[in-house]
This record gives sequence, C-alpha cells and structure tokens, in this order.
Amino acid sequence: RKEVEQDPGPFNVPEGATVAFNCTYSNSASQSFFWYRQDCRKEPKLLMSVYSSGNEDGRFTAQLNRASQYISLLIRDSKLSDSATYLCVVNGGSSASKIIFGSGTRLSIRP
Amino acid sequence: DVKVTQSSRYLVKRTGEKVFLECVQDMDHENMFWYRQDPGLGLRLIYFSYDVKMKEKGDIPEGYSVSREKKERFSLILESASTNQTSMYLCASSSEARNEKLFFGSGTQLSVL
Repeated sequence: RKEVEQDPGPFNVPEGATVAFNCTYSNSASQSFFWYRQDCRKEPKLLMSVYSSGNEDGRFTAQLNRASQYISLLIRDSKLSDSATYLCVVNGGSSASKIIFGSGTRLSIRP
Repeated sequence: DVKVTQSSRYLVKRTGEKVFLECVQDMDHENMFWYRQDPGLGLRLIYFSYDVKMKEKGDIPEGYSVSREKKERFSLILESASTNQTSMYLCASSSEARNEKLFFGSGTQLSVL
C-alpha cells in the first residue's frame, strides 16, 4: 500500500462547479499535511496547509480527518485557471526528509 | 521572490555517461532536496541535505550521489547513467523554520539513450 494515495483522475468538470478530492495516508503518526498544485510542465507550488480544524482560502477549503486518515480539498466556483494537478503532501515526521508526495489528482475545468 | 535554479531544462545523455545536475537557491535555505518525478509514481526523494556537507538518503538513492559544498548549491550526480534514470528531476529548498514549504526549480528532463 502506498503511503499517500490519491485518485489520479482526471476530474473533468464545468466552469463554476464545485469539485472535491480526497487523499488517504497510511502513517497514523503523520504530523502535517499540505496541498500543492502543479501546472502542466511546471514545478509544484504550495497551495495550502491543512489544519486539524480545517481551513479556507478563498474558494479553496482543506480538511483533515485524523480518525480515517484522509485529507480533502474542495474547490468552489471552479475557474478555468484551476486546471492543474493537485498533489497531496504528508509530513511523516519532524524532518523534512519525511515529506511524502502523492502522485496527484488531475483536474480539468471545461468552459 | 525565492529562486531555485536548475542548470538545464532538457538534457540528453548516453548510457554509461557521468551526469551532473546542478541546483542553486538564493534564499539561504538550510534544506535542499533532489526528487525525480515519473508518471503514476509522483515525486520520489532521491537525496536530502540539511546543511553543508550533510546528506541523507531518500527513498531511491541507488545509482545517485550528491554534493553540497556550499549552502546555496546542491548537485546530483549520476555516476553511470542508465536508461531507467530517464526522468524529470526536480530540485527544491526549504528553510528549517518552515520545512514543509518547498520551493522547486523548474526541473530537468533527462533522457538517457
């Protein structure tokens, strides 16, 4: 079983729709969680951290469920510019070397 | 703005060649990383460095070595390139204080023929 698993997609949704995807992790001792965004042929960039209480940044909401060991990302009122691959990232320890990337969920927004 | 610069965007090498991939960051970050990214496998950590001359093996260090002689520069070396090392290589850096916020270079697509 992979340490961090994501549905690869692609998710193909119309502009303005709400879309959500999950990511599961296997290490119950994992300490911190993040979503990164990677545009086609570009490098990944940090989108947002995921806190236990959940957090929101504009149209984006991230949530953590420690009991079921998953994190989620919800995008409301999706824009064409949201088309990208979203990487779930889990830090399994205090060292930066314990950061693990999921293989990503591809999102495509159509006009 | 943080800048992580990788020396080449595309590289083509022959099997058995020694390959050097260079990475420079300008933010005085303590941590530097080398990942490779392959379709369906995501980013896999090759090596990590938390200080000058300090390194830790990642998940897939076989066939690779690294060098960090200066804080801003982290080099990845393929001692004898093989076709299964054809991949996208991404360098990243982060500060000790916020080690989860990685800044990536734009990547080097390496093809080994």
